[in-house]
Amino acid sequence: DAKTTQPNSMESNEEEPVHLPCNHSTISGTDYIHWYRQLPSQGPEYVIHGLTSNVNNRMASLAIAEDRKSSTLILHRATLRDAAVYYCILRPLENNFNKFYFGSGTKLNVKP
Amino acid sequence: DSGVTQTPKHLITATGQRVTLRCSPRSGDLSVYWYQQSLDQGLQFLIHYYNGEERAKGNILERFSAQQFPDLHSELNLSSLELGDSALYFCASSVRAGEETQYFGPGTRLLVL
Repeated sequence: DAKTTQPNSMESNEEEPVHLPCNHSTISGTDYIHWYRQLPSQGPEYVIHGLTSNVNNRMASLAIAEDRKSSTLILHRATLRDAAVYYCILRPLENNFNKFYFGSGTKLNVKP
Repeated sequence: DSGVTQTPKHLITATGQRVTLRCSPRSGDLSVYWYQQSLDQGLQFLIHYYNGEERAKGNILERFSAQQFPDLHSELNLSSLELGDSALYFCASSVRAGEETQYFGPGTRLLVL
C-alpha cells in the first residue's frame, strides 16, 4: 500500500506562511492526495485534495511535485487556530477504504 | 460544526462488557465511515456503509460490528471489551461512496477499565 511520510512536528510564527511537506514515493497514478487536519479534541477536518495540478481553496494551497512523489500543503498566513495535526493521505480512485491510511501526521505549533 | 453527530460523547465501561456507539450523518449523506483513534495506532479505518449496505472493511475486529439503518444513522457495536479497546471512535459521512470529502463527527471517547 502506498504510504506517506511527514515530519513529526513543525513550528511557525503567527501570520507567516507555513509549508508542510509530505513524501509519497510509492504513489500510483490513480491515487489522490488528500490533506486533513485535526484540531485538539476534535475530529479530522478536510483541508484540500488534488491529483496532479496545484490546487487552491480558501483554507490552503496544495503544491504537487511533477513526479507526484511529494506534495506540500501551504498555509499562507498561519493563525493560532491553525495549530493542529496535519495528515497527508493517499486515496485510491477505486475507493478501497482499506487503503485510506492516515499515518501519524505533522503536529503544527503556531507561536504568537 | 461538521453536521455529523455522535453519542455518547464519553463512555466508561468495564472489560467484558458491550457498548453501542451511535452516529447521525449530515443531512443527505448516504455514506458512513467508522474510525478508531488510539495513542499507539493513530487513526484507523474500521468500516464503511453506503445507503444501508456494507461497502468496505478495514482493521475491524470480529468483536466489533456495525450497521446502518433506513434513516441512515449508524451504530457501532463493541463487545467483549478489552483494555486495549480504549480509544476515540470517530464517525464520518459523505454524500456518496466515492466522495472526495469526509465530514467527521466530534467522536466518542471510550474508556475500558
